Amino acid sequence: DTGVSQDPRHKITKRGQNVTFRCDPISEHNRLYWYRQTLGQGPEFLTYFQNEAQLEKSRLLSDRFSAERPKGSFSTLEIQRTEQGDSAMYLCASSLGGEDTQYFGPGTRLTVL
Amino acid sequence: AQSVTQLGSHVSVSEGALVLLRCNYSSSVPPYLFWYVQYPNQGLQLLLKYTSAATLVKGINGFEAEFKKSETSFHLTKPSAHMSDAAEYFCAVTSPDRGSTLGRLYFGRGTQLTVWP
Repeated sequence: DTGVSQDPRHKITKRGQNVTFRCDPISEHNRLYWYRQTLGQGPEFLTYFQNEAQLEKSRLLSDRFSAERPKGSFSTLEIQRTEQGDSAMYLCASSLGGEDTQYFGPGTRLTVL
Repeated sequence: AQSVTQLGSHVSVSEGALVLLRCNYSSSVPPYLFWYVQYPNQGLQLLLKYTSAATLVKGINGFEAEFKKSETSFHLTKPSAHMSDAAEYFCAVTSPDRGSTLGRLYFGRGTQLTVWP
């Protein structure tokens, strides 16, 4: 068990570019969550998957954001036409089930210039 | 939606002193409650969680928290602070809906703990 991993750890991009982040959950964890954390704030929920099904999306997840978990294992979060306000730490977490502890990855820090 | 209030964005204590970090939640139905710790440039690590069993919950690194339904609080304490405890601490709760949304966490804004030698 290697824990939740995220790639890349850091991403710097120019406004208007598209970016994609990857999350590999702990193996056999059915649930996968994405959160966003801005400076001085706690993490805010974006979306989550039960296996490959995306069950809930926050209003924070505008139509420029899309998340997938095609085979119920790793997940990707894509942001299209990035804006400076998208600069944040994007955290991924996984859990065995809905009532179980969420284990967090190290995060991907996005900076939009 | 749930809301979580952490009183005090910064707390400073001397090494060996009592640590008290406050957390209040808004829900008429007791949710599941968590404390996470975050070290610089790292993800969140679970300290402890309350899931409707014993109201006094013991966690890692000597931390514990007590669930008080009447006060809607879940304050985190540690009897004696250590330099290595310096980090940011987040209180989190689940939605009171025990259906498909169970598991979505609502976080407080965090409390930065500084420990002086």
